[in-house]
Formats: sequence, structure tokens, C-alpha cells
Amino acid sequence: GAGVSQSPSNKVTEKGKDVELRCDPISGHTALYWYRQRLGQGLEFLIYFQGNSAPDKSGLPSDRFSAERTGESVSTLTIQRTQQEDSAVYLCASSRETATEAFFGQGTRLTVV
Amino acid sequence: GESVGLHLPTLSVQEGDNSIINCAYSNSASDYFIWYKQESGKGPQFIIDIRSNMDKRQGQRVTVLLNKTVKHLSLQIAATQPGDSAVYFCAEMGGSWGKLQFGAGTQVVVTP
Repeated sequence: GAGVSQSPSNKVTEKGKDVELRCDPISGHTALYWYRQRLGQGLEFLIYFQGNSAPDKSGLPSDRFSAERTGESVSTLTIQRTQQEDSAVYLCASSRETATEAFFGQGTRLTVV
Repeated sequence: GESVGLHLPTLSVQEGDNSIINCAYSNSASDYFIWYKQESGKGPQFIIDIRSNMDKRQGQRVTVLLNKTVKHLSLQIAATQPGDSAVYFCAEMGGSWGKLQFGAGTQVVVTP
């Protein structure tokens, strides 16, 4: 596709359920980021994939959060046993290797009720 | 840990005036400093970057200034337009790892 695609665009889930968010980066982009953005807040770094290197997971807030990436393509962010404080927009971005210009998807708005 | 932060959470600017958005950073090892713009309901969009060995860079209607002495970054927008209303984030990238780290953001509101 022409840009970064995220799905679903909106997700409402019950507290305690697991959710899986998907990101399709721009073809050829080796770098992929996940960020969390709470309402009216900044971008909280979660995890960073760069090519075949081990991902930087330093931003994951707890062991309920995990992410995978298949080669240099699709990534999934999984949140287990969701809590209300997990409610936020989850943004994915991709870029060419070490490029300063990252391209963002529209985000997945997660609401935990 | 080291982080990037902003001075002003909200900036109100009259249409046609120049805007100045400020950012303080603490990581002297960053190679690049970048500005992103986020319009309501959208993901952030790249505006301009500056390498750490430069102090000024100009784009279309935008200028980024870097003052390494006081660890300060600013974005100047000339002749601000209604379409410039958005949240502006500064970000930094450094080291061989190349990870983008974002600051807190400034809401710019352009008034007629």
C-alpha cells in the first residue's frame, strides 16, 4: 500500500480480555515503531524493530505487552489482560533504516470498558 | 533517563503572524533533532530535521534552530495559517540504534 496501515481502527474490549493490534508498514522500511498516545498527551515509546536486530523493548510498560514482527513486514502488538489504563491510541510508524522521517499510520483507538 | 521536553503546552497565534515553538532536550549525544506535526485524528507527520552539527535549517515557511550550548530547539513558522493548527512534537534520534524519541508536544491554535 501507499502508507502505513493499522487495524482495527477502533477496538472496544472488556477489562481482562486480550487484544491484538496490527501494523502493515511501508514496503522496504526496515524500522518499525509502536507508540502509545493517551488523550491530549505525547507519544510514549513502546517498542522499536530495526531489520533483523533484536528489538528495543525498553518502552513496554509491563509484561502484559508484547510485540512481534515478521521479517521486515507486518507487526502485531498484543496486550494481555487489558486494564482501563490501557485505553489510548496505539500508533505504528515505519521508516527507512535510521531515517529521521517516520511515516505513521492512523492509529488504533483502544477502549477498555 | 534523558528525555526531550517542551516549554509551552499551548500557543495561540494570530493568522499571518510568525509562530515560535520551543523544545528543551537533555541528550547531548543525539545526532538529529526533528519536528513533527500532528493534526487532530491523524498520526504525526514529519516537518523538518536538523543534524546536531548544524545550528539552522530552513524549509518551506519553517525554520529550525538548534542551540547546543543551552540544549534548546525551536521551530519557527512564518505567516501562520489556519492549516498550521496542530500539535507539534520535537523528537530526537541518536546513536547507531537510531530510535526516535518524542517530547511532550505543543498545541498551536491559529486564530483569525
